[in-house]
Amino acid sequence: GDSVTQMEGPVTLSEEAFLTINCTYTATGYPSLFWYVQYPGEGLQLLLKATKADDKGSNKGFEATYRKETTSFHLEKGSVQVSDSAVYFCALSERTGANNLFFGTGTRLTVIP
Amino acid sequence: DTAVSQTPKYLVTQMGNDKSIKCEQNLGHDTMYWYKQDSKKFLKIMFSYNNKELIINETVPNRFSPKSPDKAHLNLHINSLELGDSAVYFCASSHSAENSPLHFGNGTRLTVT
Repeated sequence: GDSVTQMEGPVTLSEEAFLTINCTYTATGYPSLFWYVQYPGEGLQLLLKATKADDKGSNKGFEATYRKETTSFHLEKGSVQVSDSAVYFCALSERTGANNLFFGTGTRLTVIP
Repeated sequence: DTAVSQTPKYLVTQMGNDKSIKCEQNLGHDTMYWYKQDSKKFLKIMFSYNNKELIINETVPNRFSPKSPDKAHLNLHINSLELGDSAVYFCASSHSAENSPLHFGNGTRLTVT
């Protein structure tokens, strides 16, 4: 079945450090891939997405590239800020016509000044 | 101008009680969802409705019953609450088009004592 595996957290970084959160997936078809972010006390928000192999999703300085050969969608940011502290979820959706998202377990990021 | 709103934000109740969580969206979406997030932040879909019709129904106890009176509302009723039902429940909505992003509410933290 479909699944998403994320690196275990929590991750603690200093401001302006480089961020990588690993995500790999298992899917029977050709899924679309997403990163969602959850700030404290709020619901999840879409951060970026990629719908086919080699696509790069980007938003707010975050990037992730859909790598079919390694079944990965790692999230990166060159210089994190305190305001980036949140829980990040990798997710996939099979092309079945229904938006059934499979989420990873989430990675908590804390950025310290 | 809240996009996806759910009430209540917190719900504390005793085992065996029946409770409801309400959800409304004003985004004009035709698909709505309920997700359950456990204490480890693991997020799993419970139900999905498209135009008031059930399209996704994961393995969820019969004690959970969604009700969609119209496209803008999807309520969740839970009978005979158990300790294991304690979690944060998120409502979400999206367009039915493939890969449409989900918009989440801020969650309802249910505590069963």
